[in-house]
Amino acid sequence: DIQMTQSPASLSASLGETVTIECRASEDIYSNLAWYQQKPGNSPQLLIYDANSLADGVPSRFSGSGSGTQYSLKINSLQSEDVASYFCQQYNNYRTFGGGTKLELK
Amino acid sequence: EVKLQQSGDELVRPGASVKMSCKASGYTFTDYAMHWVKQSPGQGLEWIGTIIPLIDTTSYNQKFKGKATLTADKSSNTAYMELSRLTSEDSAVYYCARDSGYEDYWGQGVMVTVSS
Repeated sequence: DIQMTQSPASLSASLGETVTIECRASEDIYSNLAWYQQKPGNSPQLLIYDANSLADGVPSRFSGSGSGTQYSLKINSLQSEDVASYFCQQYNNYRTFGGGTKLELK
Repeated sequence: EVKLQQSGDELVRPGASVKMSCKASGYTFTDYAMHWVKQSPGQGLEWIGTIIPLIDTTSYNQKFKGKATLTADKSSNTAYMELSRLTSEDSAVYYCARDSGYEDYWGQGVMVTVSS
């Protein structure tokens, strides 16, 4: 099974700041990686797929990068509506999710 | 508009079973696989398994084999998941999600509470 290690588990940032969340796979997942945003009480929403492709309707301040086993999600110019939990997911071999990152405002 | 409408929240006794549904609309049901995902209270996401409605083929996370059974009804565009021999560890929110290679649409979730 592919393991996904996500960091940090929690993050506090100020409005307008740039934040980065990392995800490491236990083996090469060939950019078969997605990022999801989940707000309290809501379902996960797709942000990024194929490691760096922006899903429809997602603001351009979100971006994804990486390859092989290392991936990251960057949020530029943090907005209040970005307060949420973020999860990475590999879909190279079935599905595995990272442990999540809870993003709060400082 | 693609929509996955899940059935209502459930309160079930320990040892019982529960079957939940996920009704798809806005796309051709048999063109996409459907995944099921568990989210325990305050926890992350766990993949349970997937069903390909066109050919009724299923794949399961080893952890959920014997616990979850996935089915689909092509005539009603509905996917189902049954959870058996429920314990407190099964109390969670369960989501269905459409497979476009990644999960692009999610249901609203079913909260299952296992309690006597």
